Amino acid sequence: ETGVTQTPRHLVMGMTNKKSLKCEQHLGHNAMYWYKQSAKKPLELMFVYSLEERVENNSVPSRFSPECPNSSHLFLHLHTLQPEDSALYLCASSQILGRVGSYNEQFFGPGTRLTVL
Amino acid sequence: AQTVTQSQPEMSVQEAETVTLSCTYDTSESDYYLFWYKQPPSRQMILVIRQEAYKQQNATENRFSVNFQKAAKSFSLKISDSQLGDAAMYFCAIKEETSGSRLTFGEGTQLTVNP
Repeated sequence: ETGVTQTPRHLVMGMTNKKSLKCEQHLGHNAMYWYKQSAKKPLELMFVYSLEERVENNSVPSRFSPECPNSSHLFLHLHTLQPEDSALYLCASSQILGRVGSYNEQFFGPGTRLTVL
Repeated sequence: AQTVTQSQPEMSVQEAETVTLSCTYDTSESDYYLFWYKQPPSRQMILVIRQEAYKQQNATENRFSVNFQKAAKSFSLKISDSQLGDAAMYFCAIKEETSGSRLTFGEGTQLTVNP
């Protein structure tokens, strides 16, 4: 496996289900991200983990719960979702250098298409 | 807060022709980075080109080039000699120097390449 992988690629769940999305990066990066992509809307940053510590949480409802057990893996646990949560969920990773004037690109996974019934 | 606007939801181009995708942004900072990302139908988003705001020279990557107008806060993408494989959703994005690793994206432009 190379780059950023995500499983499953498609997920259909009812509003009372509990499921998890998985992301794995094979690039040796130290930061990982969850984005939500809805039709005709800009990508919305949900969570950022840097060195396995959550550094950003953009007012995401508590029914979305991220977990970063190590620098290569990122999970998004889903519970009691709503139909409006149906979207493409993208994971990304990057190497944060921690110095001003430097920035490395984010590499994206293929996404998980989530449908909430 | 930074914002990114892509005013063209859809664009089309004939194969081998040139097309320009528009992007405008708003930021209060002088140091930032601008990006164009491509998302083909397979959905894996990939970086096409990047521009550091402190650089006056427009970035170029093979058939892709940008027209960066800092004063006008404009960052358009030109695709020359368009190929069928260029068909995708294109997103413009900005990262401010003080915003950590946060990227702010535009709504995207769907590019169709006609044979």
